[in-house]
Amino acid sequence: AQSVAQPEDQVNVAEGNPLTVKCTYSVSGNPYLFWYVQYPNRGLQFLLKYITGDNLVKGSYGFEAEFNKSQTSFHLKKPSALVSDSALYFCAVRDIGGNLFFGTGTRLTVIP
Amino acid sequence: GAVVSQHPSWVICKSGTSVKIECRSLDFQATTMFWYRQFPKQSLMLMATSNEGSKATYEQGVEKDKFLINHASLTLSTLTVTSAHPEDSSFYICSARLETGGREQFFGPGTRLTVL
Repeated sequence: AQSVAQPEDQVNVAEGNPLTVKCTYSVSGNPYLFWYVQYPNRGLQFLLKYITGDNLVKGSYGFEAEFNKSQTSFHLKKPSALVSDSALYFCAVRDIGGNLFFGTGTRLTVIP
Repeated sequence: GAVVSQHPSWVICKSGTSVKIECRSLDFQATTMFWYRQFPKQSLMLMATSNEGSKATYEQGVEKDKFLINHASLTLSTLTVTSAHPEDSSFYICSARLETGGREQFFGPGTRLTVL
């Protein structure tokens, strides 16, 4: 069975500092991994995905994520946080049937 | 990119009434659409998978007679919350899957339902 864990409910970071939002996964077979962002009262917006290839995936708004097979992790990162990055972030894994399974979400707050 | 719309964006209704939420894929055809429910400060819970021209597949614990799903065309799926109760108040999000390429899911902006 597929599952995703986001161990942190809340991450606070100062503006301009690097940020990391953690995600670990459990899948059978090759993992298809995704990051989405949700702003208040809005749907999910796609940030980036890992299907195959380079372990470092670059996505929207300057975000990137590193796929680590040995640690079964797919942490989201950004070198310099912006206040506008404050939002709810979801990690997700897709199963062989194409269904997405989401983590519990991590609320990122960037402090000015 | 592919765009998915939802209507209405928010709705308030009285207990016992029914509410219909529409999900449209605006620039692509979607054989498969998904309906999620999100409680405050919680993750998305998949309610059902909507398949064009056939019955929806409901997740365990989701009442199919209460949450009626109709996927009558390749660009429209509707979710009807029947005989709504205050505990049905939630944020409902749909997504539509692009069947070509990477089979990405594109999400609608969500519908906030408040049942009084």
